[in-house]
Amino acid sequence: DARVTQTPRHKVTEMGQEVTMRCQPILGHNTVFWYRQTMMQGLELLAYFRNRAPLDDSGMPKDRFSAEMPDATLATLKIQPSEPRDSAVYFCASGLHTGELFFGEGSRLTVL
Amino acid sequence: AQTVTQSQPEMSVQEAETVTLSCTYDTSESDYYLFWYKQPPSRQMILVIRQEAYKQQNATENRFSVNFQKAAKSFSLKISDSQLGDAAMYFCAYRSAYNTDKLIFGTGTRLQVFP
Repeated sequence: DARVTQTPRHKVTEMGQEVTMRCQPILGHNTVFWYRQTMMQGLELLAYFRNRAPLDDSGMPKDRFSAEMPDATLATLKIQPSEPRDSAVYFCASGLHTGELFFGEGSRLTVL
Repeated sequence: AQTVTQSQPEMSVQEAETVTLSCTYDTSESDYYLFWYKQPPSRQMILVIRQEAYKQQNATENRFSVNFQKAAKSFSLKISDSQLGDAAMYFCAYRSAYNTDKLIFGTGTRLQVFP
C-alpha cells in the first residue's frame, strides 16, 4: 500500500532548538505540500513543491522556517530556532498536479 | 483568491440516520476539484470523496454522496446510514486545475454520532 511517510511522529523539544521534520512522498507524485494544523488556525498551507521546485512558501515564517526537497523521495521542513507558538501538528501530503492529495500521519511538535 | 466556507462547526446524528454537511466556496475559475476529507481522533486525513467540476453527475462512494451545485458554488456531503465510526472532523477542500493548484481547506465540521 503506497503511503506518505512522515518522521518523527512526535517531537518534544525546548525553545531555541532546531527541529527537522521529514517526509517521503508517494513514488511518482510530483507535488508535495506541508500543512500546519492548530486548534486556533485550522489547516494552514506552509509550502508546496512541484517537481521538487518550490512554488509557494508565502504561508511560512521565513525567518525561522525552511522547506526543501533535496530529491524526489525526501521533503524536509526545518524550524530554527523553535518557539512555543510553533507547537502544532505538521502534515505532509503528496499528489499529482491534478486531483486529490494523500496525507501522512502528521508530526506532533511540542515546543516547551 | 479562492475560499472555502463550512458554516457548521458541529453537527450530530443518530446512528443509522442521515446527515448533511454544508460547504460553499468562492472562485472565478471554471475547472477545479472539490474534496471531502475525514479526520478521526487518530488525526489521519482520509479522503472521503472527490468531485471534478466539469462533471455534472454527483459523486458517490458507498454511504457518502455529494450534492454539487456549480452555479451556487455549493458542495454538501450526505452521509447515509450513519455509523459510530463516522464520528470525526470533516473538511471540505478546493483545488484548482490550473497552475496554482494549492489545496484550500474549510474550517471543518465536527460530526458526532450517537447510538
